[in-house]
Amino acid sequence: GQQVMQIPQYQHVQEGEDFTTYCNSSTTLSNIQWYKQRPGGHPVFLIQLVKSGEVKKQKRLTFQFGEAKKNSSLHITATQTTDVGTYFCAAHPSGGSYIPTFGRGTSLIVHP
Amino acid sequence: SQTIHQWPATLVQPVGSPLSLECTVEGTSNPNLYWYRQAAGRGLQLLFYSVGIGQISSEVPQNLSASRPQDRQFILSSKKLLLSDSGFYLCAWSGTVMNTEAFFGQGTRLTVV
Repeated sequence: GQQVMQIPQYQHVQEGEDFTTYCNSSTTLSNIQWYKQRPGGHPVFLIQLVKSGEVKKQKRLTFQFGEAKKNSSLHITATQTTDVGTYFCAAHPSGGSYIPTFGRGTSLIVHP
Repeated sequence: SQTIHQWPATLVQPVGSPLSLECTVEGTSNPNLYWYRQAAGRGLQLLFYSVGIGQISSEVPQNLSASRPQDRQFILSSKKLLLSDSGFYLCAWSGTVMNTEAFFGQGTRLTVV
């Protein structure tokens, strides 16, 4: 089945530093979705990218979808303690699916 | 607007006891429904999904079962819990169109002792 590899598994940063997490697939994707799970909470949908090379921004968060639609990244500029949590990517294969495949997530720890 | 309810929030059960977790969705019809399990510090493991009443697909062989007795109700069950069943269980729904985003319930933290 389709697999989505997400790295790194953990990332410690000092408040104010930048953070990036990456998702990679060996097969072409229909889309990529990003979710955030706060400690003790549930995953919350952040955004979806569908077009090759697409870039979207939400305040300090920048989401990119690769030209080949096989990889994606989430970049946070100047992290804050409120950014703490686990960031998951999820994807549907080319051709579409009802079942998203989730990456294993990247846990972001921000030190004040 | 659509909402998803999942209960209970926490549960401590002895080994060998039964389990029933319930999830209901409001504000939408014929949703796709999912049960995920998340071990501590780990990713999301898809356990079951359903595209309609009585239609259940299992992703991994295990000690659990799922049922969908009503359009917006999804139940996760076990006849006899194992220690390895401990984890964070998440119910989610998505729309009937392919490639849509998932909306998660608050989760149930299950500890089997």
